[in-house]
Amino acid sequence: AQSVTQPDARVTVSEGASLQLRCKYSYSATPYLFWYVQYPRQGLQLLLKYYSGDPVVQGVNGFEAEFSKSNSSFHLRKASVHWSDSAVYFCAVSYNRIFFGDGTQLVVKP
Amino acid sequence: DMKVTQMPRYLIKRMGENVLLECGQDMSHETMYWYRQDPGLGLQLIYISYDVDSNSEGDIPKGYRVSRKKREHFSLILDSAKTNQTSVYFCASSLSGEVFFGKGTRLTVV
Repeated sequence: AQSVTQPDARVTVSEGASLQLRCKYSYSATPYLFWYVQYPRQGLQLLLKYYSGDPVVQGVNGFEAEFSKSNSSFHLRKASVHWSDSAVYFCAVSYNRIFFGDGTQLVVKP
Repeated sequence: DMKVTQMPRYLIKRMGENVLLECGQDMSHETMYWYRQDPGLGLQLIYISYDVDSNSEGDIPKGYRVSRKKREHFSLILDSAKTNQTSVYFCASSLSGEVFFGKGTRLTVV
């Protein structure tokens, strides 16, 4: 069965520090891969997407993600976080339908 | 501007009442979704619609039904609402795997 795993329910980092949010998927082929962000009382917004090609994709607000076929992973990174990055981040995979991970809550300490 | 619009944003209903949640999109996407989101549980898929009158159950369809008579409009109906249906409901549409979300409807059943 297809699944998406975000192993960290909550991550706390200091402002200015680097960030990695982990995502692993379980699927035999390479699906489309996405990261979404959800701010309080809002819907999910697309951060970035991977369809094929260069395994490192750039997104909005300095976020990037790296696809690894060998590890079945699609980790999200940011070099220097800002307090406004505090939100819930969802990894998602899409083949015939989209599957979301359970989300990782990011808390950025001032 | 691509948009998914949900109405109403907030709704309070008594147990046993019927509830209608409305969703519209202006992108002519064929595929639309209804999700619910509860604290700590991520997104749960209720129904998928592949086009007008082409609807399929998601992971948690019990207690819900949907209607899609026009491509741009997808409704979620709760017949005789229950208190455990208190949640935030998100409508979404998709193209090429990328999902666009509305801002959600916060439903409270008392």
